[in-house]
Amino acid sequence: NAGVTQTPKFQVLKTGQSMTLQCAQDMNHEYMSWYRQDPGMGLRLIHYSVGAGITDQGEVPNGYNVSRSTTEDFPLRLLSAAPSQTSVYFCASSYSSPGRSGEQYFGPGTRLTVT
Amino acid sequence: AQRVTQPEKLLSVFKGAPVELKCNYSYSGSPELFWYVQYSRQRLQLLLRHISRESIKGFTADLNKGETSFHLKKPFAQEEDSAMYYCALSGREYGNKLVFGAGTILRVKS
Repeated sequence: NAGVTQTPKFQVLKTGQSMTLQCAQDMNHEYMSWYRQDPGMGLRLIHYSVGAGITDQGEVPNGYNVSRSTTEDFPLRLLSAAPSQTSVYFCASSYSSPGRSGEQYFGPGTRLTVT
Repeated sequence: AQRVTQPEKLLSVFKGAPVELKCNYSYSGSPELFWYVQYSRQRLQLLLRHISRESIKGFTADLNKGETSFHLKKPFAQEEDSAMYYCALSGREYGNKLVFGAGTILRVKS
């Protein structure tokens, strides 16, 4: 099992550019989440999905879109990158609601810089 | 609103000394509390959850509803405990979504 994979590992964007961060898991997990990690702020939930075709907003959804067409994939789209979106992005997946069990598997992260 | 506060950005202790990583929370319902850990060059992972009342790698954490705290403790620190530690909270009233604290870096010196 590869677990949770994320691509790319690093990315530099110019303000206004768009891009998609990829996330895939091979554990047949229903729940998938995107977090951003910023110094002094911990991890904040951007969007999450409870199954294919179902997504919902987290704490900081503005400027990001998601879709879940398959159980395995959960891409995160930046529509028009801004310097405030410079961060480390983590994808996570879990069998059940992570807020109930706490058990979720994290990807290695994508470090994004917006200039 | 639910909030998690980890007041220390960095906690530095000597090997063999006791460790206490502080976590305070605010939540109006019945919370679920968790500790996550991220070792250098490793992925973030769940360390323990309050409902399990277990000891993992020598760490324990007790939920104190009166003081709204969930401090992480270990009687004797080891160098391999050096990592970033996050306290996290969820609750049914908030849709079971996890809210994380800012994190505390634990540095264990030899």
